[in-house]
Amino acid sequence: AQSVTQLGSHVSVSEGALVLLRCNYSSSVPPYLFWYVQYPNQGLQLLLKYTSAATLVKGINGFEAEFKKSETSFHLTKPSAHMSDAAEYFCAVSRGRSGGGADGLTFGKGTHLIIQP
Amino acid sequence: GAGVSQSPSNKVTEKGKDVELRCDPISGHTALYWYRQSLGQGLEFLIYFQGNSAPDKSGLPSDRFSAERTGGSVSTLTIQRTQQEDSAVYLCASSLGAGGGYTFGSGTRLTVV
Repeated sequence: AQSVTQLGSHVSVSEGALVLLRCNYSSSVPPYLFWYVQYPNQGLQLLLKYTSAATLVKGINGFEAEFKKSETSFHLTKPSAHMSDAAEYFCAVSRGRSGGGADGLTFGKGTHLIIQP
Repeated sequence: GAGVSQSPSNKVTEKGKDVELRCDPISGHTALYWYRQSLGQGLEFLIYFQGNSAPDKSGLPSDRFSAERTGGSVSTLTIQRTQQEDSAVYLCASSLGAGGGYTFGSGTRLTVV
């Protein structure tokens, strides 16, 4: 079975500082990995995804994530935080063997990102 | 449509009543997913459809939950005899298929009183 652990339910950074949101996964098959962002009272928006191509994945809004198989990690980073980045962030892994999330995703518990002015 | 549409956006129901939640996916998206988001459980996978069929129903929390999809488009999630623990935000998503990435709707906030 696939699982995801997000370290830190809340992360606070200053505006302009580096953002680092941690995600570790467990998967019995080569994983497809995703990061989603959720703004208040909205659905989830895809930030980026890893599908076994390049290990460094660039997404929207200046975010990127690096797949490290040896560490079973897929941490999300952004060099300089902006106030508009304040939101809930979810890491997810594909549930089944078909890849790409075609049969659903298993999500982490989420990390609430707080940006201090 | 341009995005995934869910209705109603909010639903308050009395314990024991049945509710129907509707999801209208992006036109042409063959895959459709239902998730439940609650404070205690985070995001839980409920069920997915490829076309009109649901290969895996193991995520449905109990036999009070059912879902169908007709015409490869609109899907309804039905909860019978609602309980207070059913209170949550029910999110629908659709995708073109494997590797397509999901587009989520804004969800239906269900409150059982």
